[in-house]
Amino acid sequence: GAGVSQSPSNKVTEKGKDVELRCDPISGHTALYWYRQRLGQGLEFLIYFQGNSAPDKSGLPSDRFSAERTGESVSTLTIQRTQQEDSAVYLCASSLGGSRRFTGELFFGEGSRLTVL
Amino acid sequence: GNSVTQMEGPVTLSEEAFLTINCTYTATGYPSLFWYVQYPGEGLQLLLKATKADDKGSNKGFEATYRKETTSFHLEKGSVQVSDSAVYFCALSDPGAGGSYIPTFGRGTSLIVHP
Repeated sequence: GAGVSQSPSNKVTEKGKDVELRCDPISGHTALYWYRQRLGQGLEFLIYFQGNSAPDKSGLPSDRFSAERTGESVSTLTIQRTQQEDSAVYLCASSLGGSRRFTGELFFGEGSRLTVL
Repeated sequence: GNSVTQMEGPVTLSEEAFLTINCTYTATGYPSLFWYVQYPGEGLQLLLKATKADDKGSNKGFEATYRKETTSFHLEKGSVQVSDSAVYFCALSDPGAGGSYIPTFGRGTSLIVHP
């Protein structure tokens, strides 16, 4: 597709269950970001992937959160043993990456809304 | 470190009113500055940007000027419409000289425009 695609768009789960959120970036974008947006709040950085480099995981709030990316394509954000405070919209963004191509502009998906009961 | 500070919302205006949303920043280097807009139920999308001092970004009637001396990038529109109701995010990117490729976002300012 032309834009960043995220799935599922909505996920309702019970406390303690694991969830997986998927992001399909724009083709050719080597950089991929995950952000969390709690209701009425700003964007909270979670993790950043650039090409085959080690990801920047500095924003992950706990070890229950992890993310993977296969090469320069799809990424999966996994939340284990979900808690009610994990309820939020999880936004994925991609961009041209690397020192020569990076412009600072991010292209966002529509987000995955997670509700933990 | 880098940071972006936006005015608190919500900002509530009548249609055709003048809009200003203030944004100031701190950065260790020479950042590029951005405004993103998030319409209800959607992801963020770039509204406008500026990459150097005194540059003016503009799009859809919105403008913002990169003011290095005041470290500001205020968003303005002369006549808002109901369809402008959204959340606006100011952001900076400062990757130069060992900086980060992770943009810094403000908390967002909600704009509500009434007919």
